[in-house]
Amino acid sequence: DSGVTQTPKHLITATGQRVTLRCSPRSGDLSVYWYQQSLDQGLQFLIQYYNGEERAKGNILERFSAQQFPDLHSELNLSSLELGDSALYFCASSVGAVSVTEAFFGQGTRLTVV
Amino acid sequence: AQSVTQPDIHITVSEGASLELRCNYSYGATPYLFWYVQSPGQGLQLLLKYFSGDTLVQGIKGFEAEFKRSQSSFNLRKPSVHWSDAAEYFCAVGAKEYGNKLVFGAGTILRVKS
Repeated sequence: DSGVTQTPKHLITATGQRVTLRCSPRSGDLSVYWYQQSLDQGLQFLIQYYNGEERAKGNILERFSAQQFPDLHSELNLSSLELGDSALYFCASSVGAVSVTEAFFGQGTRLTVV
Repeated sequence: AQSVTQPDIHITVSEGASLELRCNYSYGATPYLFWYVQSPGQGLQLLLKYFSGDTLVQGIKGFEAEFKRSQSSFNLRKPSVHWSDAAEYFCAVGAKEYGNKLVFGAGTILRVKS
């Protein structure tokens, strides 16, 4: 158990809908990272928050957004969903602002868009 | 930009045989290098990491990896594979100069035959 909790584990929704994925980092970790794992793109970095502020942005679509709350949990919001958004979404956390030290991953949320 | 290549999509080894998974990276300086393992339905677990120093690093579950700067490689090895090692293995590279993200390879699926 990495200590990073993601909910829900599975989500099935229809195209055009909006969903929210939740991540609770390890106790004491200030950084949260979101990654998307899909068959065609592999594991891709989406976005990072550090202590409530956006720190780094990767290949995140404009339909996607995230935030980190004062209690340090994070939510990834996906809207106007398309079939191609079906993927496994991982959250990771680390103590510092840089994941190159060590990031711990949650078990992921599998999103299926039908 | 950073990139990671795992040339083998699938590898099958017999239980008890040795294992080597290949990883090549593209980056100008010395990156931070990681190997993660993903079991079916599970998240990513860190096996080992290299930041600096001794180029042979030991990880969990009996794995080791060797950093070879001249070959831009960070291959993962295990002297004797167990059936429980069947999983997907990801090599990743990070560098502070490129922000806080990890760049992952496409993964290698390891099958273990008895």
